[in-house]
Amino acid sequence: DAGITQSPRHKVTETGTPVTLRCHQTENHRYMYWYRQDPGHGLRLIHYSYGVKDTDKGEVSDGYSVSRSKTEDFLLTLESATSSQTSVYFCAISESETGNNYGYTFGSGTRLTVV
Amino acid sequence: RKEVEQDPGPFNVPEGATVAFNCTYSNSASQSFFWYRQDCRKEPKLLMSVYSSGNEDGRFTAQLNRASQYISLLIRDSKLSDSATYLCVFSLDAGGTSYGKLTFGQGTILTVHP
Repeated sequence: DAGITQSPRHKVTETGTPVTLRCHQTENHRYMYWYRQDPGHGLRLIHYSYGVKDTDKGEVSDGYSVSRSKTEDFLLTLESATSSQTSVYFCAISESETGNNYGYTFGSGTRLTVV
Repeated sequence: RKEVEQDPGPFNVPEGATVAFNCTYSNSASQSFFWYRQDCRKEPKLLMSVYSSGNEDGRFTAQLNRASQYISLLIRDSKLSDSATYLCVFSLDAGGTSYGKLTFGQGTILTVHP
């Protein structure tokens, strides 16, 4: 199994503060993704990366930025947290090297509460 | 029309029952299909891929109907441990240009009771 860890696992933060979530993988896979999961919406793609410094927006990218300066780390930043960003955030990797899809492996998630 | 639609359930079935879920998708260019399982407060995990010819893994059978644009999951002889949320998932594979992005349904909740 691909090693993928997310940190922190839980966080409570105040409205207006910046927050960074980290996703770390141990296997040098090219494709990494950030999703958020909310009741009634399922999993929605925030941003994704297809290589070091290669990132793009997903369907719900407003208010979020990402960085990937190393293959193993994909960071998600909430620039100024709002209550609507209270959610469970999942990082995922694809073990494919071509973008063709064999499914993802997910991290354990980060539960973020913005108060 | 939503990209993917699933009956959210919940489905409550007794042990040993057979239960089936369907999921429709709107993008006819979709190429790869999956079923994921998600336990309460856990991450989704790949249950099985769905192939055009249909495929089976033990008590689980997945089928794809491209003409009607839906996939299905059949669970036979349900176990208590099958209680979870089942997510249908699809991707556009266009020689890598979709970057492997997956689109998830909202999930169908299954509860198997004694």
